[in-house]
Amino acid sequence: GDSVTQMEGPVTLSEEAFLTINCTYTATGYPSLFWYVQYPGEGLQLLLKATKADDKGSNKGFEATYRKETTSFHLEKGSVQVSDSAVYFCALSDQGAQKLVFGQGTRLTINP
Amino acid sequence: DGGITQSPKYLFRKEGQNVTLSCEQNLNHDAMYWYRQDPGQGLRLIYYSQIVNDFQKGDIAEGYSVSREKKESFPLTVTSAQKNPTAFYLCASTRDAARDNSPLHFGNGTRLTVT
Repeated sequence: GDSVTQMEGPVTLSEEAFLTINCTYTATGYPSLFWYVQYPGEGLQLLLKATKADDKGSNKGFEATYRKETTSFHLEKGSVQVSDSAVYFCALSDQGAQKLVFGQGTRLTINP
Repeated sequence: DGGITQSPKYLFRKEGQNVTLSCEQNLNHDAMYWYRQDPGQGLRLIYYSQIVNDFQKGDIAEGYSVSREKKESFPLTVTSAQKNPTAFYLCASTRDAARDNSPLHFGNGTRLTVT
């Protein structure tokens, strides 16, 4: 079946550092890919998405490119802030929203 | 502002008691979902509903029950049959469940502790 694998956390960085959180997937079809973010004590929020190969999703300085050849959707940000501290989830959907598959989440902590 | 409201934020129950978690949305979304989140794990789907008066089991439905009498409401009951009920429960909705690129909107969750 479909699956998503994220780099294990926790990840700790200093403010203004470059961020990469790796995400790879396995899917039988041509899925849509998502990054969700969960701030402490809250639900998940959609951060960005990409629906076909070579699409780049971007939001709030974060970017991720849908790479079909490497089945990857790595999340990047050039200069992180303390407010980016959260848990980040990679997810895919190729059979409708009820079949959304999540990775295990990566906890990110940014120190001032 | 439109959104999803889950209540209460924290819930404590004794083992053997049923408990119902509330989820209300004013986004006019047709589809609603319940997920369970455990530390260090991704989200696991408990139940989902694509229209009023219809719902389907997700991956971990055992020990849970739901109803969908109104479009806006999708309450989840954690029964005494659920072997490990302590967890963070998230409700979500989406406008078009059939589309792969239709994102989910989440509530802020209910943390249930059963002792």
